[in-house]
Amino acid sequence: SQKIEQNSEALNIQEGKTATLTCNYTNYSPAYLQWYRQDPGRGPVFLLLIRENEKEKRKERLKVTFDTTLKQSLFHITASQPADSATYLCALDTGRRALTFGSGTRLQVQP
Amino acid sequence: DGGITQSPKYLFRKEGQNVTLSCEQNLNHDAMYWYRQDPGQGLRLIYYSQIVNDFQKGDIAEGYSVSREKKESFPLTVTSAQKNPTAFYLCASSMTGGSGGNEQFFGPGTRLTVL
Repeated sequence: SQKIEQNSEALNIQEGKTATLTCNYTNYSPAYLQWYRQDPGRGPVFLLLIRENEKEKRKERLKVTFDTTLKQSLFHITASQPADSATYLCALDTGRRALTFGSGTRLQVQP
Repeated sequence: DGGITQSPKYLFRKEGQNVTLSCEQNLNHDAMYWYRQDPGQGLRLIYYSQIVNDFQKGDIAEGYSVSREKKESFPLTVTSAQKNPTAFYLCASSMTGGSGGNEQFFGPGTRLTVL
């Protein structure tokens, strides 16, 4: 069966450190992979998109990698800040219809 | 301001009643989507529409219905046939549906509670 897995346990890190979140998938061949941020009680907000033929994408303090052989994407936040605390969702875009979302990983950055 | 709005923010319903959730966008997007989110879980697709007057079922369409009579509007009706409707409902839109790697823009959500 098709599955997207993100760490269900919260990730706690100290301010200034790099946060690394993982998204693994099985039985998909996504053309694109997207990352979203969701704050409690609010809708997700788009952060980054990476294509299947791209290895890495950067935007300010954010970096995403995409390994289609391992079927994995890593999402990094460098120099993390308490304001980065939120739930981060990965979403697969197979190019056919709507996105398929993972369950998200909650990040808590301690000051 | 361009964006996507949902109303109401909170909604209470008695068992056996149908209820309609509103979703409006002024982004001139062709595609619109409805997702359901339960505590600690990801978003599950209920219905989506890639163009006016056309829509398709998502993964959990049973007990829900939609219409897409205008490009800007995609209301969702939660019917009494939906066995466990209490959840957070999110509407989204994107420039086009299907392939293209389009980002989705989400509304603020409606929290529905069945009493």
